[in-house]
Amino acid sequence: DAGITQSPRHKVTETGTPVTLRCHQTENHRYMYWYRQDPGHGLRLIHYSYGVKDTDKGEVSDGYSVSRSKTEDFLLTLESATSSQTSVYFCASHPPGASGYGYTFGSGTRLTVV
Amino acid sequence: DQQVKQNSPSLSVQEGRISILNCDYTNSMFDYFLWYKKYPAEGPTFLISISSIKDKNEDGRFTVFLNKSAKHLSLHIVPSQPGDSAVYFCAASVTNFGNEKLTFGTGTRLTIIP
Repeated sequence: DAGITQSPRHKVTETGTPVTLRCHQTENHRYMYWYRQDPGHGLRLIHYSYGVKDTDKGEVSDGYSVSRSKTEDFLLTLESATSSQTSVYFCASHPPGASGYGYTFGSGTRLTVV
Repeated sequence: DQQVKQNSPSLSVQEGRISILNCDYTNSMFDYFLWYKKYPAEGPTFLISISSIKDKNEDGRFTVFLNKSAKHLSLHIVPSQPGDSAVYFCAASVTNFGNEKLTFGTGTRLTIIP
């Protein structure tokens, strides 16, 4: 019973096409995040959400948008995919005041843009 | 500008010995520090954390030390076991009304040699 499910797990897409990655959590967590992991960069924050319809940008938000219409779902859209967006994408969540207890992460989506 | 740095990309340690992973940070506003462990094809999992008001936190074989004056933290694993082979990420956050955006380091790949 995974707390966070990401779909798809793998995707190959062509440059210039829009892509949507899905994150579904069953923890009823208020806060949700999208990170990307790249060699030499660790995990970098793309966008985050602090409630339904409440979202904000992270450090690498250019070329990405997000939406959160329900507590459990957080979508990441690449508006027009580029090769630089080839990466592994992780979704994460936590309840309020979880300092020190960390996030719950999904298993990731490996995206390849050709 | 990398606010959290892990300067060792990899570390190899004999089984049964101590593993020491290091992390440096530049932002003096960080008030929580966390370590995550990541296996291939899985999301990161929370390992241990420390508040900035403490200098040590211990959980079984894992101990995290914080030196605020040096802006340095370390993770000690004693004794090291083969299952500890993974990538370890250091992360830090600034408490902000329950929102815990994490800033991650680039990771250290730990290999335990049987």
